[in-house]
Amino acid sequence: NAGVTQTPKFRILKIGQSMTLQCTQDMNHNYMYWYRQDPGMGLKLIYYSVGAGITDKGEVPNGYNVSRSTTEDFPLRLELAAPSQTSVYFCASSSRGGGTGELFFGEGSRLTVL
Amino acid sequence: GQQLNQSPQSMFIQEGEDVSMNCTSSSIFNTWLWYKQDPGEGPVLLIALYKAGELTSNGRLTAQFGITRKDSFLNISASIPSDVGIYFCAGLNYGGSQGNLIFGKGTKLSVKP
Repeated sequence: NAGVTQTPKFRILKIGQSMTLQCTQDMNHNYMYWYRQDPGMGLKLIYYSVGAGITDKGEVPNGYNVSRSTTEDFPLRLELAAPSQTSVYFCASSSRGGGTGELFFGEGSRLTVL
Repeated sequence: GQQLNQSPQSMFIQEGEDVSMNCTSSSIFNTWLWYKQDPGEGPVLLIALYKAGELTSNGRLTAQFGITRKDSFLNISASIPSDVGIYFCAGLNYGGSQGNLIFGKGTKLSVKP
């Protein structure tokens, strides 16, 4: 009963490096999301997808890219990592998208950029 | 942009006490939700509210959708140690392909056995 799986759980990057955070869900959900959580702050939406081949920007998309080639996978790519991207990243999915707000979250990926 | 004001920011309580927290906004929302985040985990949905004035319970948790549609309250009765975590409110406005879901900054709950 995996739900939403994120890898890696922890990663340290040097400034300017690139990496991809992986997200997979096994619930056949069409809607998937990437959020970032900074200490003492709520969750901010980075990118979302309403189905395979369709992605769109959220509130804080700068410095990130996404793709959605399958229903199951929604990777988040960081290009030219900066200290401001130090955060905990959460992937989420939903069966009913924007109409309900009912999201299933992964366990998070903690990224530190030094 | 829209913001949610969640209070209190943190609470230290004794096991067995009741807990109240709330979320307010200057904007109207169509749906209010409450999530809980355990340490080191992702948020988990506790309660979703879809109508103004709605009062919904989930075990020891009770949440209400304010009549003005600008606020919501969460109460936890007879707290236990496993209630420890961060509680997030979220407000949703319909529209667009994914709606507009806004999260509060969270209330961190600590329970003393």
